[in-house]
Amino acid sequence: GESVGLHLPTLSVQEGDNSIINCAYSNSASDYFIWYKQESGKGPQFIIDIRSNMDKRQGQRVTVLLNKTVKHLSLQIAATQPGDSAVYFCAENKKNYGQNFVFGPGTRLSVLP
Amino acid sequence: DSGVTQTPKHLITATGQRVTLRCSPRSGDLSVYWYQQSLDQGLQFLIQYYNGEERAKGNILERFSAQQFPDLHSELNLSSLELGDSALYFCASSAAGQAGGETQYFGPGTRLLVL
Repeated sequence: GESVGLHLPTLSVQEGDNSIINCAYSNSASDYFIWYKQESGKGPQFIIDIRSNMDKRQGQRVTVLLNKTVKHLSLQIAATQPGDSAVYFCAENKKNYGQNFVFGPGTRLSVLP
Repeated sequence: DSGVTQTPKHLITATGQRVTLRCSPRSGDLSVYWYQQSLDQGLQFLIQYYNGEERAKGNILERFSAQQFPDLHSELNLSSLELGDSALYFCASSAAGQAGGETQYFGPGTRLLVL
């Protein structure tokens, strides 16, 4: 069943294409960001993180880009696969807020065969 | 599998009742966090415990309370339940949780339905 909001922004991509999911964050003092993937009926799963002293970080098939000037974060997934279909959340850790992460509303990625 | 466990997986109860959700953090993690995820609110931080002590509070209602025990497992108590409390409740854990910028690992969640 559905575990997240029904009216999320949706990105549909063809299998094998690259996906770019965007996120705007709110606090210029945020210094740590995480992308999570949430499949239906499951908890959020850590994908990749980045600190504010970096502009780019690469993982396996995923890249996160951070543009502090416009407070924008993006997640790039290379060669998107059916298993990538999920809701993707960005989370920002506001400096001096301890471990309180603020989560974005999420984007639903749908991979078309 | 994140290593964080939550029980029960599903819970159905009536308005006015009280329930307890349980969470066991990853081995070695000292911090536990509780989140509520509803269809219209997204993921909302409720409360954090670090090594048995309350560390941070978010949007947690007065009807809700939590604690972390000496073995580091945590319980979230929800009382005087209302229809609007129906949601997914997630627990997450992290290694220390004293400073910002630490990855949190989420459990599979408890789906609460209040009828």
